[in-house]
Amino acid sequence: QSVLTQPPSVSGTPGQRVTITCSGGSLNTERNTVNWYQQLPGKAPKLLIYRNDQRSSGVPARFSGSKSGTSASLAISGLQSEDEAEYYCGLWDASLNGVFGGGTKLTVL
Amino acid sequence: EVQLVESGGGIVDPGGSLRLSCEASGFTFSAWWMHWVRQAPGKGLMWVSRINVDATTTSYADSVKGRFTVSRDNAKNTLFLQMHSLRADDTGVYFCARGRLNWGAFDIWGRGTRVTVS
Repeated sequence: QSVLTQPPSVSGTPGQRVTITCSGGSLNTERNTVNWYQQLPGKAPKLLIYRNDQRSSGVPARFSGSKSGTSASLAISGLQSEDEAEYYCGLWDASLNGVFGGGTKLTVL
Repeated sequence: EVQLVESGGGIVDPGGSLRLSCEASGFTFSAWWMHWVRQAPGKGLMWVSRINVDATTTSYADSVKGRFTVSRDNAKNTLFLQMHSLRADDTGVYFCARGRLNWGAFDIWGRGTRVTVS
């Protein structure tokens, strides 16, 4: 069972803005920064956002991250069909071990 | 090109053993912490294990502790995961991932290798 909680699914139409949330008590420290990963169907995960709000190389500006208190969010603006994927939040705990949220399936209607 | 390529997956009987490999290229493997992450069929990501640059420290998820051993050969740019006493719930795709310490993130992932315990 994940210590980071994500909604199982979100959906939106092309051009719309959607937000995926990630919550958990372990987020409530400056040290625990949140990352976001995108997993396209049948593919390996890809790092989108690191350290709460930093876009990884090559990631479009449509993707943005934020964190406040015990909650973090990934926002995707100008939604496109190719954004349909599973999205995971994650962090490293105090032992530098990985922790993931349960994942959110984004459907582009 | 920075790349991680896993191999060694397959079908194994419950109680059996398997050794996974992850060959790195395009970066200085010996300078990076490395991790294994798995994904059960239709499920989310689960962190499995990590190893530091010189293999002096390792760590494991509770569900695999005592059964899995992570190791590395920096001369061969290769990460390993030795798995014993395999169970049905170990079934899934196993990814190796590079750990970026100053980001606290997995910045490069392999394509994964599939393990089926049945």
